[in-house]
Amino acid sequence: GNSVTQMEGPVTLSEEAFLTINCTYTATGYPSLFWYVQYPGEGLQLLLKATKADDKGSNKGFEATYRKETTSFHLEKGSVQVSDSAVYFCALSDRTGGFKTIFGAGTRLFVKA
Amino acid sequence: DAGVIQSPRHEVTEMGQEVTLRCKPISGHDYLFWYRQTMMRGLELLIYFNNNVPIDDSGMPEDRFSAKMPNASFSTLKIQPSEPRDSAVYFCASRYGLQAANSPLHFGNGTRLTVT
Repeated sequence: GNSVTQMEGPVTLSEEAFLTINCTYTATGYPSLFWYVQYPGEGLQLLLKATKADDKGSNKGFEATYRKETTSFHLEKGSVQVSDSAVYFCALSDRTGGFKTIFGAGTRLFVKA
Repeated sequence: DAGVIQSPRHEVTEMGQEVTLRCKPISGHDYLFWYRQTMMRGLELLIYFNNNVPIDDSGMPEDRFSAKMPNASFSTLKIQPSEPRDSAVYFCASRYGLQAANSPLHFGNGTRLTVT
């Protein structure tokens, strides 16, 4: 079945540091890939997505590239801010999975001033 | 757009009591999902509906859990009887189904359930 594996947290960075959160996936079909962010006390919200190989999703300075050859979708940001502190979830959805969205375990990010 | 609305935000109940969680999806969305989030298990998909019809309930933990979607604007998740291990945050999410795999989920703010 489909699955998503992402790096364990927490990740602690200083403001303006470079961020990478690794995500790899297993899927029988050709999935769409997503990154969601969850702030305390809230539901998840879409950060970015990519729907086919070599697509790059981007939003609010975050980027991720759909790499079919390595089945990866790593999240990056060049300079993090304190306000980026949250939990980040990698996810996939595809037709062979019945259009269910499968989430990784989440990675908590702390950014220090 | 008001977004996905869940109620109540917090629920505290005693073991053995019935609990009903409610969700109003975004108007026009034809997929509705119920997830449970815990520290130990992360986000678990419990059940999802398409056009008010349950498609996959394989994630429902046991017969104590049931979900309904009587119309396009309302869904409930019921636990009867509740147990302490059901304590979690329950999320409802909806999605527009055209090109369903590409469409992102829209989440409510969740219901934090505590069973004592």
